[in-house]
Amino acid sequence: EPEVTQTPSHQVTQMGQEVILRCVPISNHLYFYWYRQILGQKVEFLVSFYNNEISEKSEIFDDQFSVERPDGSNFTLKIRSTKLEDSAMYFCAIQGGLSDTQYFGPGTRLTVL
Amino acid sequence: QKEVEQNSGPLSVPEGAIASLNCTYSDRGSQSFFWYRQYSGKSPELIMFIYSNGDKEDGRFTAQLNKASQYVSLLIRDSQPSDSATYLCAVMGDSSYKLIFGSGTRLLVRP
Repeated sequence: EPEVTQTPSHQVTQMGQEVILRCVPISNHLYFYWYRQILGQKVEFLVSFYNNEISEKSEIFDDQFSVERPDGSNFTLKIRSTKLEDSAMYFCAIQGGLSDTQYFGPGTRLTVL
Repeated sequence: QKEVEQNSGPLSVPEGAIASLNCTYSDRGSQSFFWYRQYSGKSPELIMFIYSNGDKEDGRFTAQLNKASQYVSLLIRDSQPSDSATYLCAVMGDSSYKLIFGSGTRLLVRP
């Protein structure tokens, strides 16, 4: 099972501030995903990233969000100006091997005050 | 809007019993189906995936898929208290790799 870590585990920020969430796969992967889960709600797809490009994004992923792979290993999600409703768990997922199975990182809990 | 529906539960079963978790989906073009387990405050953990109609067994877990009825289920045999968690059904379409999740079914296994 592919492994992925995420940092930080918990981020507290003030509304309007920028945050960067990081995902670090243990080995090389081509497909990356970001999902979020607001407390008590469903896991929701945000964006998929393949070969250093966004391949698909949801309605949630508006202009306040961006993703990049700055150094070929880390995969980041940036929220430019956080809102209260951005408070959620953010999960990075990687696609395992030749199948379409996705394995989730431990998540970052984002709290916007 | 593509939907995945699950009974929120809780489903309460005694230790050693079979737990049956169900999921329906709206997109008839869906091709891949996944069950994840999520403990409170933790990330989803992949348990099973199934692509073809019928049953797929892995240890104490059996996934069942019926594409005609747009129905997928997960059976957990010999349920243990450690199986107590929320079980998430997720579906992937044929033209997309994004997972669409149900809201999850909370399972409680009573010792």
